[in-house]
Amino acid sequence: GDSVTQKQGQVTLSEDDFLFINCTYSTTTYPTLFWYVQYPGQGPQLLLKVTTANNKGISRGFEATYDKGTTSFHLQKASVQESDSAVYFCALDDNNRIFFGDGTQLVVKP
Amino acid sequence: GALVYQYPRRTICKSGTSMRMECQAVGFQATSVAWYRQSPQKTFELIALSTVNSAIKYEQNFTQEKFPISHPNLSFSSMTVLNAYLEDRGLYLCGARGDNSYEQYFGPGTRLTVL
Repeated sequence: GDSVTQKQGQVTLSEDDFLFINCTYSTTTYPTLFWYVQYPGQGPQLLLKVTTANNKGISRGFEATYDKGTTSFHLQKASVQESDSAVYFCALDDNNRIFFGDGTQLVVKP
Repeated sequence: GALVYQYPRRTICKSGTSMRMECQAVGFQATSVAWYRQSPQKTFELIALSTVNSAIKYEQNFTQEKFPISHPNLSFSSMTVLNAYLEDRGLYLCGARGDNSYEQYFGPGTRLTVL
């Protein structure tokens, strides 16, 4: 079945540090891949999506490349801010069913 | 813009009782609604997917007998947790999507506590 793996439970950085959050996926289809961000007390919000292999999604300084060869969709940001602190979920869409990774808590210290 | 509301935001019920929660889409037509449960550890479980004019599809470990869902129109869905027990605790989220859209809009969730 479909699955998404995020190895990092928590990432702690200082402002202006480089962010890298690992994500790999497993599926027999050609899914759309997403990154969602969840702030306390809210539902997940779409951060970026990529529908086609080898394409890159970019939003609010975050970017992720859909790598079909390595089945990865790692999230990166060149310079994080304290306001980026949240939980980040990698996800894939299989025919309207979204499968989420376990999430990575990002803590950015001022 | 597209928004999804969920009611109630928080609820407490006694073990063995039932709880109904609602999901309303505003600003778009919700042709499909998916219900999820998020555990205290933040992991998501997909409960079921409801698509207008199609049968509701439940994921493994979730049944209609335990989590009956109604999706009567393009703006509203409800789900009931029947005979709730401790293991049913969590944040119940609905994600709604319109036709020709890749984005699933999520509500803020209904947090269920079972005593």
